[in-house]
Amino acid sequence: DQQVKQNSPSLSVQEGRISILNCDYTNSMFDYFLWYKKYPAEGPTFLISISSIKDKNEDGRFTVFLNKSAKHLSLHIVPSQPGDSAVYFCAASDLYNFNKFYFGSGTKLNVKP
Amino acid sequence: SAVISQKPSRDICQRGTSLTIQCQVDSQVTMMFWYRQQPGQSLTLIATANQGSEATYESGFVIDKFPISRPNLTFSTLTVSNMSPEDSSIYLCSVDGLAGGPRSYNEQFFGPGTRLTVL
Repeated sequence: DQQVKQNSPSLSVQEGRISILNCDYTNSMFDYFLWYKKYPAEGPTFLISISSIKDKNEDGRFTVFLNKSAKHLSLHIVPSQPGDSAVYFCAASDLYNFNKFYFGSGTKLNVKP
Repeated sequence: SAVISQKPSRDICQRGTSLTIQCQVDSQVTMMFWYRQQPGQSLTLIATANQGSEATYESGFVIDKFPISRPNLTFSTLTVSNMSPEDSSIYLCSVDGLAGGPRSYNEQFFGPGTRLTVL
């Protein structure tokens, strides 16, 4: 039973445009959400996070939006750059098992020059 | 952040054999974790490696199949035992950013992974 879902396995965007990656979750106990980026042959690297007390967190070109009522979060990258091409994973944890991360299956982003 | 290395980076193994994967961290960490990423799938937590005690396994994973050691605060090993082709995956270790104390929202840091192929 996958508690974190990324329904788009891939996304292709033109350089300079906005990339929007989506993630849905089912567990209402999740209170902390993260996005990781993964290049081939490397481990995932942390990108940005958001706690459930917020609905938006911004870090440079990256913004994560959280809609708790819809159990949905999204990652916006603007402007997109070719170096952003990677697999993006969303992850979630809950208050009682905060070290346990539940990951989505990833979305492969391709930013075309 | 922590610098994490894994050995081997990849291996091709025969069915029925075992492989031990090492994870080394450049600083002392409280929590170390082992994940599996099967082809096209999400990262799935196998177990939490506890220093000085037995690992805590997630549902669907057992110690006989995935024995784990954690002899100190910077090192852990995961053994994949009696391998079958279904064990072909990327195995990743990760560490918690905290050295201890109360929860403050933080991320986990991942090693580069070990790509295992079982023939």
